[in-house]
Amino acid sequence: AQSVDQPDAHVTLSEGASLELRCSYSYSAAPYLFWYVQYPGQSLQFLLKYITGDTVVKGTKGFEAEFRKSNSSFNLKKSPAHWSDSAKYFCALNSGGSNYKLTFGKGTLLTVTP
Amino acid sequence: DAGVTQTPRHEVAEKGQTIILKCEPVSGHNDLFWYRQTKIQGLELLSYFRSKSLMEDGGAFKDRFKAEMLNSSFSTLKIQPTEPKDSAVYLCASSLLGGTYEQYFGPGTRLTVL
Repeated sequence: AQSVDQPDAHVTLSEGASLELRCSYSYSAAPYLFWYVQYPGQSLQFLLKYITGDTVVKGTKGFEAEFRKSNSSFNLKKSPAHWSDSAKYFCALNSGGSNYKLTFGKGTLLTVTP
Repeated sequence: DAGVTQTPRHEVAEKGQTIILKCEPVSGHNDLFWYRQTKIQGLELLSYFRSKSLMEDGGAFKDRFKAEMLNSSFSTLKIQPTEPKDSAVYLCASSLLGGTYEQYFGPGTRLTVL
């Protein structure tokens, strides 16, 4: 079975600070990992993904994430954070093979104060 | 390109009614997913189609939830009969094909069951 854990339900920081949202996963083989963002009142938008290759991947809106196989993590980063980054962020895993469904974490609600 | 469209955006139903939610995926996408989103449970997969074939029907959601994909550009989710606990946002997403491709989400349908 596969699972995704986002241990921080809520993160608050000041504009201009560096943000790092944590994501860990449980899966026995090489996963495909994704980050999505959901702004208030909106649906989910794709931010970035790791499939293979470089362990640091860059996405939209200035975000990047680092895949660390050693501790099964895929943390999302951005510096500096802006108040407009306030949203809920979801980490997701796809196990590949013939099953293309995503397993989502519970999400982290990020609040960036001006 | 048009994104994923969902109708209606809001639906209010009485307990016991039958409701049908509609989704049009991104043109050319082969995978289609239905999710339910609640604050407590987060994102739950209801159904998953690949090239119009049902790949997963969401286990616990089988009895009252039925998704269909009549053609490659249209899908429906029927809930029959509705219960108050079905109140949630229902999201439709599509993907090109394969686990390496990100999913594109529609705006969602907010269902309230009285």
